[in-house]
Amino acid sequence: LAKTTQPISMDSYEGQEVNITCSHNNIATNDYITWYQQFPSQGPRFIIQGYKTKVTNEVASLFIPADRKSSTLSLPRVSLSDTAVYYCLVGVSGGYQKVTFGTGTKLQVIP
Amino acid sequence: DAGVTQSPTHLIKTRGQQVTLRCSPKSGHDTVSWYQQALGQGPQFIFQYYEEEERQRGNFPDRFSGHQFPNYSSELNVNALLLGDSALYLCASSSTGTGGLYEQYFGPGTRLTVT
Repeated sequence: LAKTTQPISMDSYEGQEVNITCSHNNIATNDYITWYQQFPSQGPRFIIQGYKTKVTNEVASLFIPADRKSSTLSLPRVSLSDTAVYYCLVGVSGGYQKVTFGTGTKLQVIP
Repeated sequence: DAGVTQSPTHLIKTRGQQVTLRCSPKSGHDTVSWYQQALGQGPQFIFQYYEEEERQRGNFPDRFSGHQFPNYSSELNVNALLLGDSALYLCASSSTGTGGLYEQYFGPGTRLTVT
């Protein structure tokens, strides 16, 4: 699986838009980019997945440039409940594989 | 619709003992993966089960073993516990043979403390 690099931590005020960027320079042609959210003492929760350009759901948007060597998770108007660790993962969408989580980005939302 | 359930919630064991953790996948899912998450770290992949067979394994010693039952539930067994095995153990389920990155559903985890 492609290795990913994310900022260790970020702070944001409530109501602001938060963008978390993930670098994945050796992404393969058939790899997808997936983001998970994890609250303390809970299992990770799937947020969004994309392959190229832009994907949006009710929770977040995912922006992927043409070279796919990075991606940005965008959280609109964050609230205190968005304080969590966010993980970027890269790999094929199906098949048997070892799913590798990095250390993630700890987002702290400030009132 | 019940999500992924795990038992027990917490567990305290002594070094050298053996432990069994249990997981029931989300309804309709037949693939189960296990992860170990140490404090402050991301989840580390232990292994994945589909059709009652281990399909993939991470870099964990043979002390870690598992099983999947016909009803798709799964067990994680750890023998000869070490202090370093203290962690949150997560179970994740997904649908047929995928188990990849697409929408794995995680349980709440079992917090194992080895003293």
